[in-house]
Amino acid sequence: SQQGEEDPQALSIQEGENATMNCSYKTSINNLQWYRQNSGRGLVHLILIRSNEREKHSGRLRVTLDTSKKSSSLLITASRAADTASYFCATDNQAGTALIFGKGTTLSVSS
Amino acid sequence: EPEVTQTPSHQVTQMGQEVILRCVPISNHLYFYWYRQILGQKVEFLVSFYNNEISEKSEIFDDQFSVERPDGSNFTLKIRSTKLEDSAMYFCASSEGEGRTGNTIYFGEGSWLTVV
Repeated sequence: SQQGEEDPQALSIQEGENATMNCSYKTSINNLQWYRQNSGRGLVHLILIRSNEREKHSGRLRVTLDTSKKSSSLLITASRAADTASYFCATDNQAGTALIFGKGTTLSVSS
Repeated sequence: EPEVTQTPSHQVTQMGQEVILRCVPISNHLYFYWYRQILGQKVEFLVSFYNNEISEKSEIFDDQFSVERPDGSNFTLKIRSTKLEDSAMYFCASSEGEGRTGNTIYFGEGSWLTVV
């Protein structure tokens, strides 16, 4: 089944450093979305990148998409303690009617 | 910013009881979804709903589950005869259009269900 898988599973950095998370998926997609989840909270949408886009920015976030490698990366620049959360990529299922989530990367930013 | 709201935020129920989780999607959205996340695990798709009918459901969404849009604003998930393994965070989500056309799917804060 189509599925995003994030790498690494866990990442610990210092405030001010950049954090890069990767996502790989198995089949062709229409879009790929990144979400953040603070512990015990809901999913917050960060950014959507379409299959015909290669890079997208939103504030301190930069997302790239390489459809030939079936992979995406999320870069958070100048990280802050408040960025501590789990980050998930999600791809469309084949029918385009639902999102399929990966297992997520747990990011810990220490001050 | 418009948001998806869910109630209750937390519910404890006895095994075998029926539970109804409620959601108010974003008002101009037409597509509705339920997902769940068992503690420490990934978010899993349950069902998508459009035009008053289920458009897709996962293997998890068996006869124990049902969804309904009883009026113009609410979207509910009913779990009959709850089991211990139904304990999870249940997320409602909505989108203006279909995911395949690049529509963002917005999630609520979730309803924690604990089955004892």
